[in-house]
Amino acid sequence: GAVVSQHPSWVICKSGTSVKIECRSLDFQATTMFWYRQFPKQSLMLMATSNEGSKATYEQGVEKDKFLINHASLTLSTLTVTSAHPEDSSFYICSASGAALWGDTQYFGPGTRLTVL
Amino acid sequence: QKEVEQNSGPLSVPEGAIASLNCTYSDRGSQSFFWYRQYSGKSPELIMSIYSNGDKEDGRFTAQLNKASQYVSLLIRDSQPSDSATYLCAVNTGGGNKLTFGTGTQLKVEL
Repeated sequence: GAVVSQHPSWVICKSGTSVKIECRSLDFQATTMFWYRQFPKQSLMLMATSNEGSKATYEQGVEKDKFLINHASLTLSTLTVTSAHPEDSSFYICSASGAALWGDTQYFGPGTRLTVL
Repeated sequence: QKEVEQNSGPLSVPEGAIASLNCTYSDRGSQSFFWYRQYSGKSPELIMSIYSNGDKEDGRFTAQLNKASQYVSLLIRDSQPSDSATYLCAVNTGGGNKLTFGTGTQLKVEL
């Protein structure tokens, strides 16, 4: 069990456009989902934590208005990168946790590689 | 600040040897500990979780936890070239489900 999917797996967009990334828990209900960003050869950087039905909690330095997070159901969270710029190009990874059986274990999606031209 | 520290490596071991990866954490109240493996260009995948002091074995992997000394380690027996990856240590430091990740140790298993 504990399968998390992300869509799309990669996306190329023009500067100034918005991009939406979906994260789904396929075989469990995720009360909490996390969004990370990872630049080449660097570690994971937590961007925000989202709980179903409530506003996301953003980490210090992450712009709330630029990275919009919606966690509308126990199986779906979305990250929208608004007015994307080349510096937003990165590997975005979501994770999900909350299944009673697995406690605080986080299971990661396969990631979305964003390239902004 | 609650920290999780790992040696960045690379740690090179010959095929068939035991690889030992170490992690220390600063928050003495931490209760949950995880090891993830991340291949280049891929997302992390869970290897093991450990919650109690001592050893926990799963196949070729053994996680060791010592809360008194605030370290957690991962042993990989009979290392294979396919084990070459970055290994991330993660600790639940603040309650809830939020994890603090180390920067990872790169492991290279050489033929």
